[in-house]
Amino acid sequence: GQQLNQSPQSMFIQEGEDVSMNCTSSSIFNTWLWYKQDPGEGPVLLIALYKAGELTSNGRLTAQFGITRKDSFLNISASIPSDVGIYFCAVVMDSNYQLIWGAGTKLIIKP
Amino acid sequence: DAGVIQSPRHEVTEMGQEVTLRCKPISGHNSLFWYRQTMMRGLELLIYFNNNVPIDDSGMPEDRFSAKMPNASFSTLKIQPSEPRDSAVYFCASSGRGTYNSPLHFGNGTRLTVT
Repeated sequence: GQQLNQSPQSMFIQEGEDVSMNCTSSSIFNTWLWYKQDPGEGPVLLIALYKAGELTSNGRLTAQFGITRKDSFLNISASIPSDVGIYFCAVVMDSNYQLIWGAGTKLIIKP
Repeated sequence: DAGVIQSPRHEVTEMGQEVTLRCKPISGHNSLFWYRQTMMRGLELLIYFNNNVPIDDSGMPEDRFSAKMPNASFSTLKIQPSEPRDSAVYFCASSGRGTYNSPLHFGNGTRLTVT
């Protein structure tokens, strides 16, 4: 079946560092989404990307929709402790509007 | 907006017992989704409803699982009989105000433990 490859699987970073994660697919998708899941909660939408090449920011978060429509990256600048959690990419299937999810990137901040 | 409300937050039950999970979607949303999350499989879509009608239940693992949406503001996911391998976090999500591809809004989940 169709899959998203999300990397890295986990990241250990120092507070203040910039973070980058990405998501790739072998198929073209026209809508890419980035969600964050805090411990004990459901995923929350961070950024939605609808146009190839689009670069969108939400505070310290920046996401880009790849020009080939087969990839996206999410950057977090100057990380803070509340950034810890699992970040998921997802794409919308044009055939039935359902989501395909990446496996997630777990962000851990070193004490 | 109160968000998607799920209950209970935690459920511990013995194998063989019936389990019912409940969800209240965001008012005005016309699509509702039930997901299961485990370490091994990640987020799996079990079933989704559009305008209270089940559209795709191909993700429901077995006949022991059933879901209903009697009205626009309430849905249940039932497992009967439950088994230890059903232990997971079950999320309900809703979306849409007349469009299919509006982003999902998730509840905080029900953590189910079957012993």
